[in-house]
Amino acid sequence: QSVLTQPPSVSGAPGQRVTISCTGSSSNIGAGYDVHWYQQLPGTAPKLLIYGNNNRPSGIPDRFSGSKSGTSASLAITGLQAEDEGDYYCQSYDTSYIFGGGTKLTVL
Amino acid sequence: EVQLVESGGGLVKPGGSLRLSCEASGFTFSDYNMNWVRQAPGKGLEWVSYIRSSSSYRYYADSVKGRFTISRDNARNSLYLQMNSLRAEDTAVYFCTREGCGGGDCYFNPDPSDSWGQGTLVTVSS
Repeated sequence: QSVLTQPPSVSGAPGQRVTISCTGSSSNIGAGYDVHWYQQLPGTAPKLLIYGNNNRPSGIPDRFSGSKSGTSASLAITGLQAEDEGDYYCQSYDTSYIFGGGTKLTVL
Repeated sequence: EVQLVESGGGLVKPGGSLRLSCEASGFTFSDYNMNWVRQAPGKGLEWVSYIRSSSSYRYYADSVKGRFTISRDNARNSLYLQMNSLRAEDTAVYFCTREGCGGGDCYFNPDPSDSWGQGTLVTVSS
């Protein structure tokens, strides 16, 4: 069981908006630690998608955005595309580096 | 272009040892902190170990503490993970990662992993 809780799966139709939550506690996200998001497409290594709660690395489209409030963080994807299908992980810190359990995004 | 290439994975019996390597290129390796992250088959990501750029600090997940040792050779642009007393639950793809924000200033806590290798599979089985 992960310290950071993510929904196991989310889905949406092409063009729609989906959000993925990452729920922590007062010892990790709520303590002020930053949250990062990674995208893992099928058969590939994870890729940094959002860092420092709401920053996009170069080359990541602005369809992807992140936010953080209290003990939780969220990843939003707008204008859903078929190539967005894959697994998404949040990361933060507690007594050590921690990852969420991952969320499988299905594009219907 | 930043490249991280892991090697050294394979099949090993419970109780055995293995040494993973990660060769870095395309950036000044000695400037960056590095991590090992693993992913068991069909499962999520699990942080394994961290090493400061100068090797002055090393941290481990509780699940591997006392059995795994992280090290680096900045002259060879290489990161290592010595894995001893391996167990079936250590079976996973092991990724090496660079901490950073794409080359710019990075002042987050923790810092993100902005580059990942393709991973190397470790299978612990009799």
